[in-house]
Amino acid sequence: DVKVTQSSRYLVKRTGEKVFLECVQDMDHENMFWYRQDPGLGLRLIYFSYDVKMKEKGDIPEGYSVSREKKERFSLILESASTNQTSMYLCASRRTGSGYTFGSGTRLTVV
Amino acid sequence: RKEVEQDPGPFNVPEGATVAFNCTYSNSASQSFFWYRQDCRKEPKLLMSVYSSGNEDGRFTAQLNRASQYISLLIRDSKLSDSATYLCAVAANAGGTSYGKLTFGQGTILTVHP
Repeated sequence: DVKVTQSSRYLVKRTGEKVFLECVQDMDHENMFWYRQDPGLGLRLIYFSYDVKMKEKGDIPEGYSVSREKKERFSLILESASTNQTSMYLCASRRTGSGYTFGSGTRLTVV
Repeated sequence: RKEVEQDPGPFNVPEGATVAFNCTYSNSASQSFFWYRQDCRKEPKLLMSVYSSGNEDGRFTAQLNRASQYISLLIRDSKLSDSATYLCAVAANAGGTSYGKLTFGQGTILTVHP
């Protein structure tokens, strides 16, 4: 089975901190994605990457950046955390043509 | 209009009931379709892909109607363990610039009661 691992299940950060969320997949998938999920808003795509060092903005990229230095790792960076970035963050990977495999999520609280 | 829309429910059904969810999509270039299941405070997990001819996996049947741009999920003989949120997901042609990114519906909440 494909495994997608997110480094933290729960995080509490202060407003203004720089936050790194890490995601690693072990099946050599080309495509990796970061979503956030909020009640009433569903899953919204922040950024995605289709190859090493390649990235594309999703629907809500403001306040976020990403890094993909190696194929298996896709990092989401909150440059200066704000309270409206409190959310569940889900990483996923996918081989083109197949469905996503999600990590178990990181519940981030910004105080 | 949202790209992918689902009736959020909630659907409350007794054990043994048959329940159906629909999901409409707006992009006629969409090529890949999926149903995901999400349990409370867990990540979504792939339930099944949806193929043009329709497909079945045990008690679950998925259908695609390209002309009307919707997909459906039918659950027969509902079990208590089917209680979850069901998300539909749609991808545009991966040969374009979308690189296979999925757009999700907001999810339909199903509760199966004794």
